[in-house]
Amino acid sequence: EAGVAQSPRYKIIEKRQSVAFWCNPISGHATLYWYQQILGQGPKLLIQFQNNGVVDDSQLPKDRFSAERLKGVDSTLKIQPAKLEDSAVYLCASSAQGVMDSPLHFGNGTRLTVT
Amino acid sequence: DQQVKQNSPSLSVQEGRISILNCDYTNSMFDYFLWYKKYPAEGPTLLISISSIKDKNEDGRFTVFLNKSAKHLSLHIVPSQPGDSAVYFCAASAHNDMRFGAGTRLTVKP
Repeated sequence: EAGVAQSPRYKIIEKRQSVAFWCNPISGHATLYWYQQILGQGPKLLIQFQNNGVVDDSQLPKDRFSAERLKGVDSTLKIQPAKLEDSAVYLCASSAQGVMDSPLHFGNGTRLTVT
Repeated sequence: DQQVKQNSPSLSVQEGRISILNCDYTNSMFDYFLWYKKYPAEGPTLLISISSIKDKNEDGRFTVFLNKSAKHLSLHIVPSQPGDSAVYFCAASAHNDMRFGAGTRLTVKP
């Protein structure tokens, strides 16, 4: 099966600019996750979708981050405006059901550098 | 809020020897535990997992041990191979809420 696709692979922007990331999950996977991984830390969940509904966005900085999953398939994550501390790898993951039934499959991530 | 901790940022072992990676957690509600392996410029991939009803799960060279009373789990790799060199993330889940440790970079020397 094709894996989770993410684009772009790398992005460099200046602070206060906007940026968007795209994710295409594994076909048929109902659950989609966006994680932020800062250098030297483990992935931190930003938002979880079940189909096109939000399950958990408690750790999403909603003043600058937004995400959507139209039609329950592809998803975009946007940062506006970006701050220096947003420099990280943004990982998208998908699963068929919950974690125990179908573990997360991760994409290769988008490395964001904010200067 | 570090509910999952990997206190060793790095580990170096000789090829053929055993690698032991450790992980501690604080939330007693976690009921499913996973180890992910990550190569540079790639996303993490699931290596092995264990449910809280078990204390051991083995898959070839990889074994995960769970000690619920100590809130501790470990990953044993034996024998270690150079291709095992990667960052290993411990993860724990409760009600589909998964938390990750900071990772341990394993280097297996030929």
